[in-house]
Amino acid sequence: QVQLVQSGAEVKKPGASVKVSCKASGYTFTGYDIGWVRQATGQGLEWMGWMNPKSGNTGYAQRFQGRVTMTRQTSINTAYMELSSLRSEDTGTYYCARAGDYDDAFDIWGQGTMVTVSS
Amino acid sequence: QSALTQPASVSGSPGQSITISCTGISSDVGGYKYVSWYQQHPGKAPKVMIYDASNRPSGVSSRFSGSKSGNTASLTISGLQAEDEADYYCSSYTSLNTLYVFGTGTKVTVL
Repeated sequence: QVQLVQSGAEVKKPGASVKVSCKASGYTFTGYDIGWVRQATGQGLEWMGWMNPKSGNTGYAQRFQGRVTMTRQTSINTAYMELSSLRSEDTGTYYCARAGDYDDAFDIWGQGTMVTVSS
Repeated sequence: QSALTQPASVSGSPGQSITISCTGISSDVGGYKYVSWYQQHPGKAPKVMIYDASNRPSGVSSRFSGSKSGNTASLTISGLQAEDEADYYCSSYTSLNTLYVFGTGTKVTVL
C-alpha cells in the first residue's frame, strides 16, 4: 500500500543537527512533492517546507531558511530533512507528507519522528 | 507570517452540526483556492478531510463539507459522531514568505 515510513526518535544536544528520513513505497516516488511539517508537543502544526523529488527543487518557510535542508535519494525512494543549530524550541514531532492526488493537500503522512533537544 | 485564526474549541452533541472557521488575509485564504482541512486524533498523523476549500477526498465521509468566502474558510461537520472528536487544522497557500501556513487548530468535543 501507499505509505511513508520515517526514521526513529532522536535525542540531540543544543547546537547539533538532526537528519530525519522518509521512505516512500507503493507509488512513484518522483511523481509527487514531499512536504515536512513540525508539531511541538501539545502544539499546532507548522509548515516547514517542500521538495520535488524528481528535480530536487525545494521551498522553505522563511523561519527555517538557513537551518533546514531537504534532499532525496531517488534510488531508494527516500526523502530527508536536516535541521541544524538545534535549540530546545525545536523539540517536537516531525512529519513528512505527500502532496498527492488532491492538488497541494497532503494525502499521505509518515508516522512522525520525535526529536528531543536537550542538554 | 502568522498562523490562520481558528477558534480554540467547538463542541456539539451527537447528531448536531458544527462549523469551524479559519480566518486569514487576502495573501492566503482570500487569494487562493488552496485551502485544506486536516483531522488529527491524539498521537496520530493528520488526515486530509477537505482540499481546494470545498472538495472531499475519496473515502472521507460526506458529513464533512467545506466552503470559503472572502478571507474566511469554514469546515462543517454534520451528524456529529463520537469519532469526530479530534483536533482540526486548516491550511492555505500564501504568497508571503512561508509558502504555506496552518491554522491555530480547533479541538472538537462531542458532548
